[in-house]
This record gives sequence, structure tokens and C-alpha cells, in this order.
Amino acid sequence: GDSVTQMEGPVTLSEEAFLTINCTYTATGYPSLFWYVQYPGEGLQLLLKATKADDKGSNKGFEATYRKETTSFHLEKGSVQVSDSAVYFCALSENTGFQKLVFGTGTRLLVSP
Amino acid sequence: DAGITQSPRYKITETGRQVTLMCHQTWSHSYMFWYRQDLGHGLRLIYYSAAADITDKGEVSDGYVVSRSKTENFPLTLESATRSQTSVYFCASSDLAGTDTQYFGPGTRLTVL
Repeated sequence: GDSVTQMEGPVTLSEEAFLTINCTYTATGYPSLFWYVQYPGEGLQLLLKATKADDKGSNKGFEATYRKETTSFHLEKGSVQVSDSAVYFCALSENTGFQKLVFGTGTRLLVSP
Repeated sequence: DAGITQSPRYKITETGRQVTLMCHQTWSHSYMFWYRQDLGHGLRLIYYSAAADITDKGEVSDGYVVSRSKTENFPLTLESATRSQTSVYFCASSDLAGTDTQYFGPGTRLTVL
């Protein structure tokens, strides 16, 4: 079945450092890909998404490019802030049938001043 | 208030008790979802609903029951709570299926003693 694999956390960075959180997926078709973010004590919210190969999703300084050849959707940010401390979830949705979301296990990011 | 709300936010119950978690959304979204979040597993789908009176099982539905008599409400019932159902439960809604953004509630932390 479909699956998403994320790097284990926590990822600990100093403010203004470069961030990469790796995400790879397994899917039978051509899924849409998502990054959701969960701030402490809150529900998840969509950060960015890409619906086809080579698309780049971006929001709030975060970017991720849909790489079909490497089945990856790595999240990057050039300069992190303390306020970016959260748990980040990679997810996919097949574009056929019910199209449910399949989530990775999440990666906790801790940014210190 | 507009949005998606869950109640209660925190619940402690005993093994064998019936518990109902409430979810209410004000957008008239067609799709609603229940997930549970556990360390090491990310989010797993319990049940989903495509419209009022249409529900279907997710990957971890055993021991749970849902109903959807009105578009805006999607209660989740644990018929006889077990310790393994201790978790954080999130409700979500979306206007369309998978490729559309899902909007998450703040979560209910349930502890079964």
C-alpha cells in the first residue's frame, strides 16, 4: 500500500540555520503531496502542497519540490526562526478513488535563539 | 465561531465505558474525517464521511462507531473503551476529497485508565 517515510527527529537548529526535512513516498499511481505543520497544542494545518511531478509548493519561506524520479518531497527553508518550532508531517493522496491522506510519522523541529 | 471545533478537549475515562467525542464544522464541507495520533505512528485514519449518512472505515476502525445525520456534525463513539485507545483524536473536514486541503480541529486528548 501507499506509505510515507520521514526522517526521524528531533531536528535541532539554531535560528537562521538552513532546514531540510527529508520525505520519500511509495505509491502505485501519481499522488498529490503535502506538508502539514502542527504547532504545540494545536491541530494540523496545511503548509504547502504539490499535485504533479516537478511542481514546487511554497509558503511562509518553506519550499518542497515534487521529485517523481526519486519519489521525494523534501521540505526546505533557508533561515529558520524560533517560531518555526513544530512537528512537520509529510503526506500523500492518491488521485483516484477516495483519495485519503496517508501521513508520515512526523518530524519535530526545535529552533533555539 | 467559524471553523472546526472538538469537544471535549480533554477526557479521562475507565476501561469499558462508552465515550463520545464531538466534532462540528461551520463550512458545510462535504468530507469529514477522524484520525488518531500516536507517537511513532503519525496520524491514522479511523473513519471518514463523504456526506451526511455516508460513512466508511479507515485503517484503524475496530472499536469505534461514527454517525453523520447532519453535514456539520461527525461524532465518534468508543463503544467500550480500552487502554489502547488512549490517544489524541483529531477531526478534520474538506470540501473535496484527498487533493483538497483538510482543516483540522484542535484535538481531544483521551486517556483510558
